Amino acid sequence: AQKVTQAQTEISVVEKEDVTLDCVYETRDTTYYLFWYKQPPSGELVFLIRRNSFDEQNEISGRYSWNFQKSTSSFNFTITASQVVDSAVYFCALSEAASSNYKLTFGKGTLLTVNP
Amino acid sequence: DAGVIQSPRHEVTEMGQEVTLRCKPISGHDYLFWYRQTMMRGLELLIYFNNNVPIDDSGMPEDRFSAKMPNASFSTLKIQPSEPRDSAVYFCASTSIGWHEQFFGPGTRLTVL
Repeated sequence: AQKVTQAQTEISVVEKEDVTLDCVYETRDTTYYLFWYKQPPSGELVFLIRRNSFDEQNEISGRYSWNFQKSTSSFNFTITASQVVDSAVYFCALSEAASSNYKLTFGKGTLLTVNP
Repeated sequence: DAGVIQSPRHEVTEMGQEVTLRCKPISGHDYLFWYRQTMMRGLELLIYFNNNVPIDDSGMPEDRFSAKMPNASFSTLKIQPSEPRDSAVYFCASTSIGWHEQFFGPGTRLTVL
């Protein structure tokens, strides 16, 4: 069965600090997809990134970067030079391709608070 | 393009009343998902549809919950009768075959008194 673990329940940083959010996953499939979503205080769920299991290349988008390592089953998310607007709950999620059902399994989320 | 649309955004009702939540997926998407979010249980998948057909409803908590998708642009989640423990935020999401990432609506915050 698929499982996503976000061990960090809450993280608090001061603006401009770098912060890494951890995500560890479990799956028996060889083909799967990993995601990060952001849930700001307003409540909506915002899609940030999708990574395929066959593509371990790290990705950078502005201040955001993602490190995917199959060897450790991790898909970590780093925010560089954090800003107050980054304060949100961040969810990591997994979808197994073999089942072809597009179901997402979410982690419990990490609450990030960026203080001015 | 409009995103996923949900209505109402907030619903307050009394125990025992029927509640209907509505969702309009992104045009062209052929998968629709209903989730429930609570502090205790996090984000739970309730049911999902493919081409208007329910595929997996194993997450529906009990018979009081039902969902329909009469056409490609509309779905409902109904709770009858509602109970205080149904209080949660209900999200609808959609995606298209081959995409995998799901796009979420703003959610409906349900409070059952």
